[in-house]
Amino acid sequence: SQQGEEDPQALSIQEGENATMNCSYKTSINNLQWYRQNSGRGLVHLILIRSNEREKHSGRLRVTLDTSKKSSSLLITASRAADTASYFCATDGTQAGTALIFGKGTTLSVSS
Amino acid sequence: NAGVTQTPKFQVLKTGQSMTLQCAQDMNHEYMSWYRQDPGMGLRLIHYSVGAGITDQGEVPNGYNVSRSTTEDFPLRLLSAAPSQTSVYFCASRGWTEETQYFGPGTRLLVL
Repeated sequence: SQQGEEDPQALSIQEGENATMNCSYKTSINNLQWYRQNSGRGLVHLILIRSNEREKHSGRLRVTLDTSKKSSSLLITASRAADTASYFCATDGTQAGTALIFGKGTTLSVSS
Repeated sequence: NAGVTQTPKFQVLKTGQSMTLQCAQDMNHEYMSWYRQDPGMGLRLIHYSVGAGITDQGEVPNGYNVSRSTTEDFPLRLLSAAPSQTSVYFCASRGWTEETQYFGPGTRLLVL
């Protein structure tokens, strides 16, 4: 079964607002990654947080990780219409040679 | 670098037909993976490979075969297509020391 579960499934906000999406996972991880997918395109890597990190920033992105709760959140500040996309969390397991396991994604719609 | 390339971009098959989805990467990555993406299901892992000559099953391997004769190529074979295999297929790769994954543009497959 899939490792990650994003919440909410869909999110609609206005430009300038912040968008928060959450991810829960089931097993131990080396790291957790967030990817973005524009409609009809492949996935693009956004940010990675390792299991020994609690928070990470990259531009308007802020990721937190709580390994005790097996959960992560992605915050996009000051959203823009161009942020409209689907966002997926992916977990990298502790066993060597395993592939990334993706969640079902959150669809973000930012209106101007 | 071309990155990860996939062909064809779009394919229509009849039930029972066979075909091979091609995937190639020019980054000398050891890990390669195939995912399928269906509405509301996110990305599900079909097969993956940790190097030439080594493949393993993912979450949804039934109906698909893979082989990895070279580092660059990782074709996905559908031996007898079924309507349930209608989906968008993504190939991805990453290097041994890398944690992020690079995706191809996807192949949209319709099985009638």
